[in-house]
Amino acid sequence: AQTVTQSQPEMSVQEAETVTLSCTYDTSESDYYLFWYKQPPSRQMILVIRQEAYKQQNATENRFSVNFQKAAKSFSLKISDSQLGDAAMYFCAYRSMSFSNSGYALNFGKGTSLLVTP
Amino acid sequence: GAGVSQSPRYKVAKRGQDVALRCDPISGHVSLFWYQQALGQGPEFLTYFQNEAQLDKSGLPSDRFFAERPEGSVSTLKIQRTQQEDSAVYLCASSRGARTENTEAFFGQGTRLTVV
Repeated sequence: AQTVTQSQPEMSVQEAETVTLSCTYDTSESDYYLFWYKQPPSRQMILVIRQEAYKQQNATENRFSVNFQKAAKSFSLKISDSQLGDAAMYFCAYRSMSFSNSGYALNFGKGTSLLVTP
Repeated sequence: GAGVSQSPRYKVAKRGQDVALRCDPISGHVSLFWYQQALGQGPEFLTYFQNEAQLDKSGLPSDRFFAERPEGSVSTLKIQRTQQEDSAVYLCASSRGARTENTEAFFGQGTRLTVV
């Protein structure tokens, strides 16, 4: 089974600054997807960014970018120019590319609570 | 609807009571997932439906948990004789495809169940 570890229960960043959230994972598969989800107090999971393991180029989405190190099984999220609206729980998630009886179910880490201060 | 809808948003149940949680996926989505998110934890997989077929229920914590999707659209997660350890947020997600690997999951806002 794949495991996802987020070692930072809480992080804090000042508005307009940059913050990096860490994630490591364990898998024996060679092809998979990695995701970062944002969960605000409304509880709805919002997809922030996605990385395909077979792609060497790191994914970027506006102010959000990842540092994907496949050999090290590391997948960190960098948020640039942090905004008050970025405050939320952030979850790293793994998904196999192999279809199974559980479909393409996601394996989540325990999350990192991001605080943004003015 | 435009997104995944779950009801109720909040449910308080007395220990021993049965509850039913509803999920309305995005219209036409084949795949439907239920996750359980305990306080301070990440979501954990409970069960998966492909249309009306429940292909995997390995994540259901006990035989008190039961899920169905009889017509391949709306799904209900039922918990019988609720216990305090059942208190959690229950998230539903749907995706358009089944075996299409490049398929994104869309989440509802969840139901927060509190057992007292």
